Amino acid sequence: ELKVEQNPLFLSMQEGKNYTIYCNYSTTSDRLYWYRQDPGKSLESLFVLLSNGAVKQEGRLMASLDTKARLSTLHITAAVHDLSATYFCAVASTGNQFYFGTGTSLTVIP
Amino acid sequence: KAGVTQTPRYLIKTRGQQVTLSCSPISGHRSVSWYQQTPGQGLQFLFEYFSETQRNKGNFPGRFSGRQFSNSRSEMNVSTLELGDSALYLCASSLVPPDRLGETQYFGPGTRLLVL
Repeated sequence: ELKVEQNPLFLSMQEGKNYTIYCNYSTTSDRLYWYRQDPGKSLESLFVLLSNGAVKQEGRLMASLDTKARLSTLHITAAVHDLSATYFCAVASTGNQFYFGTGTSLTVIP
Repeated sequence: KAGVTQTPRYLIKTRGQQVTLSCSPISGHRSVSWYQQTPGQGLQFLFEYFSETQRNKGNFPGRFSGRQFSNSRSEMNVSTLELGDSALYLCASSLVPPDRLGETQYFGPGTRLLVL
């Protein structure tokens, strides 16, 4: 079974700082997804990464994928309070089952 | 355009009962997936449907079943409820199955099920 590990599980950072969330997965996959979940809310799709070396950016968030290392990163630049949420990565197996990471709970402190 | 809708939003059942949850995808979307979210196990994949056919199923017991109708609406059923089935059940829709060109999934608000 495909395993997906995220770290850190909890992240408290000051506004204006940069930080990176890591997502490691155990077997080959050609698709990696990042989602955001606000407390009590559903999931919002952030990025879909399809190939090795893929990089996508939206505002203060940038995601990248290294399929050889089986690693994706979500980089946060100059954090603002609105980015406080839980971030999940998910990897799709060849059978198109989705495996989610444990989530990273991000709190941005003024 | 209306988003993914799920009914009911909240549900309380007792052990041994069965429950049916409903999901209406975004208009035009033909792929529907279901997920279970619990504090202990996190987000787990349940099923994926496309054009009324189940394409994939996660590692859940046979008590969990689902179906998709010709209008793409989907239902999932859990029989003989157990305390551990208490969870947020999320439905997601996409135009085509997520494995086609990295199609984005759009999630509904979820149904929160409490089993007593």
